[in-house]
Amino acid sequence: DGGITQSPKYLFRKEGQNVTLSCEQNLNHDAMYWYRQDPGQGLRLIYYSQIVNDFQKGDIAEGYSVSREKKESFPLTVTSAQKNPTAFYLCASSKKGDGYTFGSGTRLTVV
Amino acid sequence: QKEVEQDPGPLSVPEGAIVSLNCTYSNSAFQYFMWYRQYSRKGPELLMYTYSSGNKEDGRFTAQVDKSSKYISLFIRDSQPSDSATYLCAMSEWNTPLVFGKGTRLSVIA
Repeated sequence: DGGITQSPKYLFRKEGQNVTLSCEQNLNHDAMYWYRQDPGQGLRLIYYSQIVNDFQKGDIAEGYSVSREKKESFPLTVTSAQKNPTAFYLCASSKKGDGYTFGSGTRLTVV
Repeated sequence: QKEVEQDPGPLSVPEGAIVSLNCTYSNSAFQYFMWYRQYSRKGPELLMYTYSSGNKEDGRFTAQVDKSSKYISLFIRDSQPSDSATYLCAMSEWNTPLVFGKGTRLSVIA
């Protein structure tokens, strides 16, 4: 079955540590996105990529980095520069002009 | 003023009621309008997708877009307890990422 897979489901980060969230899709979608969801804040765009080897910053890119070396994969790294990383992270993919398909999310907690 | 405004609720209705969910927006360049449903601790799933002003119906769900008023609505008829979720409106210009509302939490009481 086609879909979008995020891993891990839960992730714990120590202070000063970088962590990487995985996002893989087999839908043959060109575009991929990372959103952050906080209680009462809705979804806020971190980064997006419309084509392999190219990506753009979203509204809250500071403290995050991404890569898009393959069409199927769009990993997100939460760096130590992100001062408040505890949140629910959602990855999505789409064809141009279509709605998004979301993964099931990764819940990141700072310990 | 935020680009997309959505009342966060919570909204509580009895089973069988008609539910009305709404969003307003400020960017007149928005032309794609969507509604997503999100269950707790899950990713959002696409419910409705409209491109132009007017109504679109799919089963118990009707999406309405009024571009002149910059106002979109989602109606749920014969609401069920399984409809209890957070409903997110989202919209975009051509070939730009979706901008989401904050979501409205809905509870349908049996």
